[in-house]
Amino acid sequence: EVQLVESGGGVVRPGGSLRLSCAASGFNFHDYGMSWVRQAPGKGLEWVSGVYWNGDNPGYVDSVKGRFTISRDNAKNSLYLQMNSLRAEDTALYHCASGYLDAFDMWGQGTMVTVSS
Amino acid sequence: DIQMTQSPSSLSASVGDRVTVTCRASQGISNYLAWYQQKPGKVPKLLIYAASTLQSGVPSRFSGSGSGTDFTLTISSLQPEDVATYYCQKYNSAPFTFGPGTKVDIK
Repeated sequence: EVQLVESGGGVVRPGGSLRLSCAASGFNFHDYGMSWVRQAPGKGLEWVSGVYWNGDNPGYVDSVKGRFTISRDNAKNSLYLQMNSLRAEDTALYHCASGYLDAFDMWGQGTMVTVSS
Repeated sequence: DIQMTQSPSSLSASVGDRVTVTCRASQGISNYLAWYQQKPGKVPKLLIYAASTLQSGVPSRFSGSGSGTDFTLTISSLQPEDVATYYCQKYNSAPFTFGPGTKVDIK
């Protein structure tokens, strides 16, 4: 069974940091580009960041450039998102999804990030 | 960056109706367009990729068309289980922008 399981979310103050993780199983993780997609409460989907199968060529939405860093460890079947200098507008449910220059065909349930003082 | 728009933002139709959702890119994206269905409280589900290719397991009442800047998602006969928000997404180059969504419900 294909699974993407996110963790690492929580409540953090503005300016703080969090590191999200996504554990993949049930498919050849190392063959897939991967992305993070977020959804603020009651809002639509926003692609945040993605990376090739080998970790090359990371991409970011403008609003997180310089603050967020995506990485992956294929030996651990894991994807990560280091989030620094968090802002209230980063509050959202963060999903990892398979896909980067591809449609996103597998999604995790998400981990909630709340940025609040 | 390329912007994605969708119309309408919401619609209400009867069971059995043909439903059409449109998506427009501000610049040409060839056929690098996907459609997703998100039911309330659920994770998005890929319906169509490459503008018109049905994802495995998706009912054949769903279809997609278009290329360049204008795309369409059609539900040939709306079913109660199709109540959801539908999003288009470009994936030809980063950022992989989603449209704002179209909420579909039953009249």
